[in-house]
Amino acid sequence: DTGVSQDPRHKITKRGQNVTFRCDPISEHNRLYWYRQTLGQGPEFLTYFQNEAQLEKSRLLSDRFSAERPKGSFSTLEIQRTEQGDSAMYLCASSLAGLSHEQYFGPGTRLTVT
Amino acid sequence: QQQVKQSPQSLIVQKGGISIINCAYENTAFDYFPWYQQFPGKGPALLIAIRPDVSEKKEGRFTISFNKSAKQFSLHIMDSQPGDSATYFCAASVPISGNTGKLIFGQGTTLQVKP
Repeated sequence: DTGVSQDPRHKITKRGQNVTFRCDPISEHNRLYWYRQTLGQGPEFLTYFQNEAQLEKSRLLSDRFSAERPKGSFSTLEIQRTEQGDSAMYLCASSLAGLSHEQYFGPGTRLTVT
Repeated sequence: QQQVKQSPQSLIVQKGGISIINCAYENTAFDYFPWYQQFPGKGPALLIAIRPDVSEKKEGRFTISFNKSAKQFSLHIMDSQPGDSATYFCAASVPISGNTGKLIFGQGTTLQVKP
């Protein structure tokens, strides 16, 4: 499978715990995006990386959220001191540099905070 | 201004019929308009996309119609099949740093195709 992969697919955590998600983009895609999708809504943009540089962050990304892409390949999204409002599907997408804006999404990580 | 309004919220179509989903926007900076299909528990899958300098794009049974002056675009699914039953999202891309765009999604339309 050469698509975007995400790990884990599901995560249940208690309020106040820290969680980390991983995204592996399509090979050779140097652009990587994180989105969050709550039940019954469309995805909302969180942040964008071009290679290892984080070039854009949404105001939705509070201080408890941090994302990295240390070597320009996989990326991690960490949420510290999770709250019940963080329960959502966290989606990663990737695209190839160039004129195309096509973003390809992974299967997502479903986070449930109890 | 960065909203994309999608309608209807839900749609029921008979097999073989035409499914039509509409979206409207205000921000003229949007430069790319994709449609995504999402099945329960899965990530959105890119279906078809259009740029604002084109009025129509067709790929198989899927057609995007784009009206730049009205700031509206729509997805038509011809010969709808039960396997098309899913949630459909329109989106619009607004330019951000790095010569790319972030996607602003509509609220989604749940399509049910009855056999």
